[in-house]
Amino acid sequence: GQQVMQIPQYQHVQEGEDFTTYCNSSTTLSNIQWYKQRPGGHPVFLIQLVKSGEVKKQKRLTFQFGEAKKNSSLHITATQTTDVGTYFCAAPSASKIIFGSGTRLSIRP
Amino acid sequence: NAGVTQTPKFRVLKTGQSMTLLCAQDMNHEYMYWYRQDPGMGLRLIHYSVGEGTTAKGEVPDGYNVSRLKKQNFLLGLESAAPSQTSVYFCASRQTSGRAWDEQFFGPGTRLTVL
Repeated sequence: GQQVMQIPQYQHVQEGEDFTTYCNSSTTLSNIQWYKQRPGGHPVFLIQLVKSGEVKKQKRLTFQFGEAKKNSSLHITATQTTDVGTYFCAAPSASKIIFGSGTRLSIRP
Repeated sequence: NAGVTQTPKFRVLKTGQSMTLLCAQDMNHEYMYWYRQDPGMGLRLIHYSVGEGTTAKGEVPDGYNVSRLKKQNFLLGLESAAPSQTSVYFCASRQTSGRAWDEQFFGPGTRLTVL
C-alpha cells in the first residue's frame, strides 16, 4: 500500500535555529496535509497543499509541495519553545489518510 | 461545539479483560477513524467508517472490533485485552465536502494500559 516516509525522526535544535522536516512518497499525491502534536496532546491540522510546487506560509512556518507532487517539506524559521512537538505529514489514500512517522522537534532554550 | 470527544480518558485493564472506547463527534461528519499511537511512534489506523452502519479494517485491526450504529458515535472494542494493546488511542473524524480532502479532527485520546 501507499507509504509516506518522513525524515528526520528526531531533531534537537537551539532556540532560534531553523528546523526542516521532509516527507516523501513513492507515488504521486493528490494533496498533502501537515499536523502538529504537542507533547501529551492530540494531532492538530496545520495546512493542506494541493497544487504542484505550492508554497504556503504561516508566520514562521513555510510549507512546500514538490513539483512532481511526491514530496513535501515544512520549514520553521527561528524556532521558539512553542514549536516543540511532533510534526506529521499525511496523504490521502482512498477513504483513509496515511500518516508519516513524524519528526519530533525538541528545543534547547 | 465540543468537536470530537473520547471516553474514558484513562483506563487500566488486566490481561483478558474487555472494554469499549467511545468516540463522539457533533460536527455531522461522515467519516470516522480509530488510531493507536505507541510511545515515540506515528499513528496507525485500526478501523474506520465512511458512514453510519459501515466499518472497514485499517492497518492493525486484529484484536479490535468497531461499530457505528449512530452517525455521531464510533465505538472501539477490545475483546480480550493484551499487554501489546497498551497505547494511546485517538479517534478522528472528517467531513466529505467534495473537495480534494478535508482535515481530520482528532479527539483528546484515551490512554490505555494493559497489565
